[in-house]
Amino acid sequence: GAGVSQSPRYKVAKRGQDVALRCDPISGHVSLFWYQQALGQGPEFLTYFQNEAQLDKSGLPSDRFFAERPEGSVSTLKIQRTQQEDSAVYLCASSLAGTGGEAFFGQGTRLTVV
Amino acid sequence: QQQVKQSPQSLIVQKGGISIINCAYENTAFDYFPWYQQFPGKGPALLIAIRPDVSEKKEGRFTISFNKSAKQFSLHIMDSQPGDSATYFCAASKGGTASKLTFGTGTRLQVTL
Repeated sequence: GAGVSQSPRYKVAKRGQDVALRCDPISGHVSLFWYQQALGQGPEFLTYFQNEAQLDKSGLPSDRFFAERPEGSVSTLKIQRTQQEDSAVYLCASSLAGTGGEAFFGQGTRLTVV
Repeated sequence: QQQVKQSPQSLIVQKGGISIINCAYENTAFDYFPWYQQFPGKGPALLIAIRPDVSEKKEGRFTISFNKSAKQFSLHIMDSQPGDSATYFCAASKGGTASKLTFGTGTRLQVTL
């Protein structure tokens, strides 16, 4: 595709619900990143994949957050038992390679937990 | 711990003026310093980036100034235009890579006519 595609664009979840956020990276991009952007703040790193391998998950805030990229392309960020503090925009970015490559961001998924 | 501090939080500049945004970092292992531009409802887009082996980089109306000893870097937007109105984020990473970016808190720039 032309860019990084994320779906859904908006998600409203009741507290305690599980949600799954999808990211389609740019075709051929090896590296994929997830970031969380709270309202009025800069993005914060969540996790990083190189192909299907999750090389860094140090930013995941709790064990309720889980990310996967089973075939090295599409990635899913899953949040279990959502809490109000999970409300944020979740951004996905991909780059051709992890080293020195520009990270291209998707438009994000705005998650609101009510 | 906020590793990249950004100021000001918001900025209003007249059309044709110079916009200046400043960032300071703490981790001396950082070696890649990009600036991102974000419009409402969009993801951040890379504007310009610098590595610590140079003190300045210019691309069109955008210039990064880098002071390694002070651990500071800044973005200058010359001849600011209304279309530049957006939120700007500085960021930093280590290992010569764009992975695991640490972002500043953002500066909301408004360019008035």
